[in-house]
Amino acid sequence: DAGVTQSPTHLIKTRGQQVTLRCSPKSGHDTVSWYQQALGQGPQFIFQYYEEEERQRGNFPDRFSGHQFPNYSSELNVNALLLGDSALYLCASSRWTGVYNEQFFGPGTRLTVL
Amino acid sequence: GQQVMQIPQYQHVQEGEDFTTYCNSSTTLSNIQWYKQRPGGHPVFLIQLVKSGEVKKQKRLTFQFGEAKKNSSLHITATQTTDVGTYFCAQPGSGNTGKLIFGQGTTLQVKP
Repeated sequence: DAGVTQSPTHLIKTRGQQVTLRCSPKSGHDTVSWYQQALGQGPQFIFQYYEEEERQRGNFPDRFSGHQFPNYSSELNVNALLLGDSALYLCASSRWTGVYNEQFFGPGTRLTVL
Repeated sequence: GQQVMQIPQYQHVQEGEDFTTYCNSSTTLSNIQWYKQRPGGHPVFLIQLVKSGEVKKQKRLTFQFGEAKKNSSLHITATQTTDVGTYFCAQPGSGNTGKLIFGQGTTLQVKP
């Protein structure tokens, strides 16, 4: 049983460009959350997708957008990249059972903006 | 807003010494989770505490949830080099959506 997978593992972009990151949740999971982790910091919640809709959003600008597909996989898009967007982007999946328990994190995508 | 403070930021210990990290919230929590992130890795779930005063053990790791459900601690007895990494506590965000608010983490270095 594959865990959470993310692609690509590393990405280098320049300021102003756009990027799309992808995530496949753990089998049986229906909820995908995205986190941004700057160097030396804890992960910061970007948004969460459930039933193909954005259910909750953190304090991130509209340049950050996402999508969830019918197979529960998800994409994170970032437009007009800034140097400060350089970080590890983590996808976490979970399963709604009336409550949420642990989050399963993927290996992350390391984004460098030059 | 919701915040969770974690101390210390860094801890260097000699192999065999004990280690403790503390997590404090400004609000009463429904639960608290702990994650470990190895260098270059991703957060891995360790445990969830739900009840006031709860104490759970995993081999050399002891997790505690305060009586007021506003603080928590992780204690490692007789550290080993495999314990190296950053330990995060995480509290649930508003709404029952599974959103997590992470502390800044405590990075543990173990000298062999």
